[in-house]
Amino acid sequence: DARVTQTPRHKVTEMGQEVTMRCQPILGHNTVFWYRQTMMQGLELLAYFRNRAPLDDSGMPKDRFSAEMPDATLATLKIQPSEPRDSAVYFCASAGISDRNTIYFGEGSWLTVV
Amino acid sequence: GQNIDQPTEMTATEGAIVQINCTYQTSGFNGLFWYQQHAGEAPTFLSYNVLDGLEEKGRFSSFLSRSKGYSYLLLKELQMKDSASYLCAVMDTGGFKTIFGAGTRLFVKA
Repeated sequence: DARVTQTPRHKVTEMGQEVTMRCQPILGHNTVFWYRQTMMQGLELLAYFRNRAPLDDSGMPKDRFSAEMPDATLATLKIQPSEPRDSAVYFCASAGISDRNTIYFGEGSWLTVV
Repeated sequence: GQNIDQPTEMTATEGAIVQINCTYQTSGFNGLFWYQQHAGEAPTFLSYNVLDGLEEKGRFSSFLSRSKGYSYLLLKELQMKDSASYLCAVMDTGGFKTIFGAGTRLFVKA
């Protein structure tokens, strides 16, 4: 059963701490997205990669957020330092040509910054 | 820029039919998706339209008019479990950037 895997599922951290979220895309998918969802803003695109190359990270606050894809099976989203306004659900998603570029979402990382 | 509009909320009765509209303005177009999201869960794929017309899949159908920048999701024989948010998303050309609308919360009542 192919699926996108994200860790951690839940994270509570103190303001100022570093947070790293990890994602394993579906095997064979070459496009990886990071989205953030809040009640107020809905689902926002933070960054995405194609064939491991970053294509667009304009939705991401550059001063504290960074996204990387060190290899085809791992994408990371890091927040340093974290702030209470970063509290949200962070979804990783992947897509591939074999699936008509349909985006499949992971279960999300529920982040609370206190 | 990109802009996707959907109604915020809708209410319908069990067994009825509901149509959720989506209008979009994007710099490029490489397909439109509909996703369902239950509270506390991840969005799940419902449908994909890249050409004009109606795509039917069981109780769900999705329609696209590229010239009008318009799509709708039609849900038939509504069930209580269909209460969820329905997200319209547009994929851009080139790099396949995909932007989501704010979603429509559907309440199905008995």
